[in-house]
Amino acid sequence: AQSVSQHNHHVILSEAASLELGCNYSYGGTVNLFWYVQYPGQHLQLLLKYFSGDPLVKGIKGFEAEFIKSKFSFNLRKPSVQWSDTAEYFCAVTTYGNNRLAFGKGNQVVVIP
Amino acid sequence: GAGVSQSPSNKVTEKGKDVELRCDPISGHTALYWYRQRLGQGLEFLIYFQGNSAPDKSGLPSDRFSAERTGESVSTLTIQRTQQEDSAVYLCASSSPRGAQRTGELFFGEGSRLTVL
Repeated sequence: AQSVSQHNHHVILSEAASLELGCNYSYGGTVNLFWYVQYPGQHLQLLLKYFSGDPLVKGIKGFEAEFIKSKFSFNLRKPSVQWSDTAEYFCAVTTYGNNRLAFGKGNQVVVIP
Repeated sequence: GAGVSQSPSNKVTEKGKDVELRCDPISGHTALYWYRQRLGQGLEFLIYFQGNSAPDKSGLPSDRFSAERTGESVSTLTIQRTQQEDSAVYLCASSSPRGAQRTGELFFGEGSRLTVL
């Protein structure tokens, strides 16, 4: 079964700082990759996804993620964070023929004004 | 409804009691998922329903856990003889007929927080 690893569970940074959250998965075949976000008091929602094509994916609110197949990675980035980016971020993966999303443990990100 | 609805939002129960958690998916969504999130952990897959196909129950942690779905609508997750380690947020999600593999988008409810004393 596929697994997803996220490191640095708690991240604290100041507004305007750059953010990068790492995501690695363990599966050698075709994968679909996702980042979900959960803002305080809200439900989980899709931030961005990669299925095929350009490995650099743009999502909502200025986020982007890069799929590097050789590294089994799908890291999330934002050049300049805002206080409103305070949230928990989850990386997830599905594999070919499988509708089950496997999630990582999440990154709790706190942006200090 | 406009989104995935779950009830109750909070449930406190005593060890050994049975609990039922309900999920009302987005209308027209044939796929329905249950996940569990324990404190400090990621989302743990429990069960997946897709239309009239047999559900994927491979994530259920023990035979105390069961889930049912009525057609393509409401689902109920039942935990019998609850234990303290069952304390978690139970999340329900639904997706369109094309499924998570095709669109990747699961629509989550706000969860049911279960506390077992």
